[in-house]
Formats: sequence, C-alpha cells, structure tokens
Amino acid sequence: QVQLKETGPGLVQPTQTLSITCTVSGFSLTSYYMQWVRQTPGKGLEWMGFIRSGGSTEYNSEFKSRLSISRDTSKNQVFLKMNSLKTEDTGVYYCARDRAGDYWGQGVMVTVSS
Amino acid sequence: DIVMTQAPLSVSVTPGESASISCRSSKSLLHSNGITYVYWYLQKPGKSPQLLIYRMSNLASGVPDRFSGSGSETDFTLKISRVEAEDVGIYYCGQLLENPWTFGGGTKLELK
Repeated sequence: QVQLKETGPGLVQPTQTLSITCTVSGFSLTSYYMQWVRQTPGKGLEWMGFIRSGGSTEYNSEFKSRLSISRDTSKNQVFLKMNSLKTEDTGVYYCARDRAGDYWGQGVMVTVSS
Repeated sequence: DIVMTQAPLSVSVTPGESASISCRSSKSLLHSNGITYVYWYLQKPGKSPQLLIYRMSNLASGVPDRFSGSGSETDFTLKISRVEAEDVGIYYCGQLLENPWTFGGGTKLELK
C-alpha cells in the first residue's frame, strides 16, 4: 500500500538549514509529482513546492530563494532543504503525493528556536 | 496570489443532519481545458490532511458518497449529507490552478 513518512530534526536554530526526508513506498517517484506543504500557526497550510515525475521542480516564490527540493529515486526518497530559517518557519512539514495530495505523510514537527 | 476565503469559520451539526461549507476564490479557477482546479481536504484532529474532492466535484478514492462538491468559477460548496462522528475536523479548500497553490483558512466542523 501507499505510504509516506517524513523524518527530520525536531529543533533547528535560527539562520540554520532545515533538511527533511520523505521516504515513500507502494509507488514509484518517476510516476508521480511529490509536493511539500507546511502548516504554521501564523499562516495555516502553505504549499511550498513540488518535484515532477520527470525530476523538474517548481517552488512557491515565498520560499524560492531558500528552498530546494530533490529526490533519489533509487532510495524512494524526496528531500526538502530550506536555509536561513526564522522562528516563523516553526510548524509541521508534510510531503504529499501527486498534485492533488491524494496521500500525505504524518508530518514532522519543526521548531525553530535558539 | 489567489486568495481562498472560507465560510463559516465553524459549524456545529447534529449527527444525521447535513452541512455545507463555502469557499470563494479571488480569481476564476476554471482553466481553458474546462477543468475547475478547486480541491477539498479534511484534517481530522491530530492527523494529516486527507483529500476529499478534486477538480471541484470528483470524489477521491475511499471517500464516502455523503460528500459532494459543486460550484461555479469562483464560488464553491462542499456538502456533507448525514454527518457522522468521523466527519469532525477542519475542512480546507485549495486551488491548484496557479503557482503558488493556496488554501483557505479552514472551517471547523463540530457535532452538537
């Protein structure tokens, strides 16, 4: 069955870089878009960007200058990297399959604090 | 950016009754291909969002047919018939027409 699971640090210091891995099973990354969505107290649900089945990416301009999405199809993993973190980046980060988000991971809580 | 505005902020429903949630977009979500790119999600307490409706009126896999979506180019409605306890949570509409994809602020459904 389809499964997605995010793993990442629970706590990141301001100005540092956030790295989250989404490990998937039950489908191929070369057949589906994969997107990242976060949920913060200040802005609710925010779409961050996606990586297409072919490997190209598209980002929300809100994050474009500091966000990178990539993948390793051999490991069934998708990666989110975001630098220059601020306290406002505190929230839950989700990976989701396809444009519609037909499957979501359980999310990983990230706290940005010194 | 396209702004998605939901109403009401919260709704309280007697089990077995129906409920409707509205969503309005700041721009038409009707693409030239004839598809309207509005989606509905439910976030149950402590859980991740789950897809309910895609492209305005299509029921996602595994979603009970008590849920239905309808609308025009800018005004959309999610209807839940015969509300059950498992329907409790926060409902979000979202648009996938233009980058950045955006979501409404959510409507909380509670039981009376």
